Amino acid sequence: DAGVTQSPTHLIKTRGQQVTLRCSPISGHKSVSWYQQVLGQGPQFIFQYYEKEERGRGNFPDRFSARQFPNYSSELNVNALLLGDSALYLCASSLGVGSTDTQYFGPGTRLTVL
Amino acid sequence: RKEVEQDPGPFNVPEGATVAFNCTYSNSASQSFFWYRQDCRKEPKLLMSVYSSGNEDGRFTAQLNRASQYISLLIRDSKLSDSATYLCVVNSGVWGYQKVTFGIGTKLQVIP
Repeated sequence: DAGVTQSPTHLIKTRGQQVTLRCSPISGHKSVSWYQQVLGQGPQFIFQYYEKEERGRGNFPDRFSARQFPNYSSELNVNALLLGDSALYLCASSLGVGSTDTQYFGPGTRLTVL
Repeated sequence: RKEVEQDPGPFNVPEGATVAFNCTYSNSASQSFFWYRQDCRKEPKLLMSVYSSGNEDGRFTAQLNRASQYISLLIRDSKLSDSATYLCVVNSGVWGYQKVTFGIGTKLQVIP
């Protein structure tokens, strides 16, 4: 079975631009979460979606938004990019949103903002 | 105080050694706990869930101490391939809402 897939793999943008990252969950998984990981830190939670509804939001500015589609894939959008947005963006999928539902991560999108 | 705290290391240990990592969490209502492994420039991968009764998977043993709010990971007979960053993960959400918090990660380097 295919794991979580993300696109693109790498991305270079300049300050002020907008970016859209995409994620396809494991087949049968209905929940997608997004994380930001800067170098030397653990992943920081951005959003979680389940059945197209937002179920969780981390401490990120409104420049960050996301949505989930009927096929459970998801997009993360970041507007007005800042240098500090340079990071590895990870998508994780899980069966549901129960506390014991394991999250499985995709390979990530490495975003560089110049 | 951070929600999840780990010693970032690095821990440099010789092959065959036993090494232990601890992780503390601040939210006493936390529901579930995990250890993930992350190789350099790769995504985190689940190593094991952590239960109050403790659990073992080969050379790896995880323990949860709810009273003291810490979890531990013990690696016996370290292999070169164990070199990675080990992330402590705590889920303090309730049903329908997950609040997943990662620690900073502990870097392990196993040396020949």
